Amino acid sequence: SQQGEEDPQALSIQEGENATMNCSYKTSINNLQWYRQNSGRGLVHLILIRSNEREKHSGRLRVTLDTSKKSSSLLITASRAADTASYFCATFRTGRRALTFGSGTRLQVQP
Amino acid sequence: GAVVSQHPSRVICKSGTSVKIECRSLDFQATTMFWYRQFPKKSLMLMATSNEGSKATYEQGVEKDKFLINHASLTLSTLTVTSAHPEDSSFYICSALATSGRAGTDTQYFGPGTRLTVL
Repeated sequence: SQQGEEDPQALSIQEGENATMNCSYKTSINNLQWYRQNSGRGLVHLILIRSNEREKHSGRLRVTLDTSKKSSSLLITASRAADTASYFCATFRTGRRALTFGSGTRLQVQP
Repeated sequence: GAVVSQHPSRVICKSGTSVKIECRSLDFQATTMFWYRQFPKKSLMLMATSNEGSKATYEQGVEKDKFLINHASLTLSTLTVTSAHPEDSSFYICSALATSGRAGTDTQYFGPGTRLTVL
């Protein structure tokens, strides 16, 4: 399966700044999800946005979805050193059931 | 939230041996589980879909005789890497699909992963 792309591949910011990550995908979807992965660890589910939604918030996270452009963005506001991790978008579409993951963004938040 | 466990979390083995990895959904039933593989600093690649009571569905390029999958019950899927070689060294992650009940609908819950190192 073809994976989506995320940009930037790597992002380094200072604590307190906002971090924006973008994700593009190739097929029509039912929903798009964002996950976080600390180095060498499992995935932590952050947020899910359905195809009929344009924006969603959860705490310091804001996700947007533009199905016409097949793209999504994840904004982390007021970043903390503990936000340092890799972030992946993943798309879900009926019929496939498995998630298709983007290439990921490695975020480094400097204290 | 729903919990998925994997065992072992880390395994080191000699080339030529077989390694079994277990994936369990602890508080919900999962008729479908997925096995992913992740190389260092790379994304997750789907290897196969594990279906309870039937044969697994493998992605293109994944050798089914190399990576044996058994979904023996509604809470357990196993991945056996047969005759492992150094190129099989990777991080293997499973997920379980919750389709109903308290765990949610069509939500995947991921295990913590298994780090396989083949010497």
